[in-house]
Amino acid sequence: DIVMTQSPESLAVSLGERATINCKSSQSVLYSSNNENHLAWYQQKPGQPPKLLIYWASTREYGVPDRFSGSGSGTDFTLTISSLQAEDVAVYYCQQCYTTPITFGQGTRLEIK
Amino acid sequence: EVQLVQSGAEVKKPGESLKISCKTSGYSFTSYWIGWVRQMPGKGLEWMGIIYPGDSDTRYSPSFQGQVTISADKSINTAYLQWSSLKASDTAMYYCARQSVVPAGKIEGEFDYWGQGTLVTVSS
Repeated sequence: DIVMTQSPESLAVSLGERATINCKSSQSVLYSSNNENHLAWYQQKPGQPPKLLIYWASTREYGVPDRFSGSGSGTDFTLTISSLQAEDVAVYYCQQCYTTPITFGQGTRLEIK
Repeated sequence: EVQLVQSGAEVKKPGESLKISCKTSGYSFTSYWIGWVRQMPGKGLEWMGIIYPGDSDTRYSPSFQGQVTISADKSINTAYLQWSSLKASDTAMYYCARQSVVPAGKIEGEFDYWGQGTLVTVSS
């Protein structure tokens, strides 16, 4: 199985500041047929299901604010929130969709400092 | 509007059977993979498996193979997750989710729409 490792496990950022979450996969998730990295990011707020933010490592899902961005390739990926808003408090997960079994990172808890 | 509506919370005893459902609407049920994700209390997300309702092709995570059964009834646009003999360790929130369209020749993809979750509690 591909192991997904996120860092840090928790993060406290001031409102309006940048938040950065990292995700590392144990093997490349670059799919040669479409030259895309099959890596997704989700946001989960308390009591809610996860919400897809980013797919193919850097493509924002429709309706997701542009302060959310994804980057990286191969095995190393980053989710960046450019200017933290109060409503961004949540747990964030990365997910590899390269091969089954699909696997998630352990999650990063983002709080307001 | 795409919607996935899951059945309500369940409280069961160890050894009992259970089948929970995920009723979908707003899209072509037979054209998208649909999957199940487990979230144990206070823990992260675990991919259990997916089914393609068009032909019932089903893929399981090795961690869940033989422990659960994923099925679908395309006549009523509903997917199911079932257990034949529950254990206390099955206590969790279970989410169904639709997988987005994937490149030709590929099965795996991200989940773009999610159900609200079904809480399953197994306790004697």
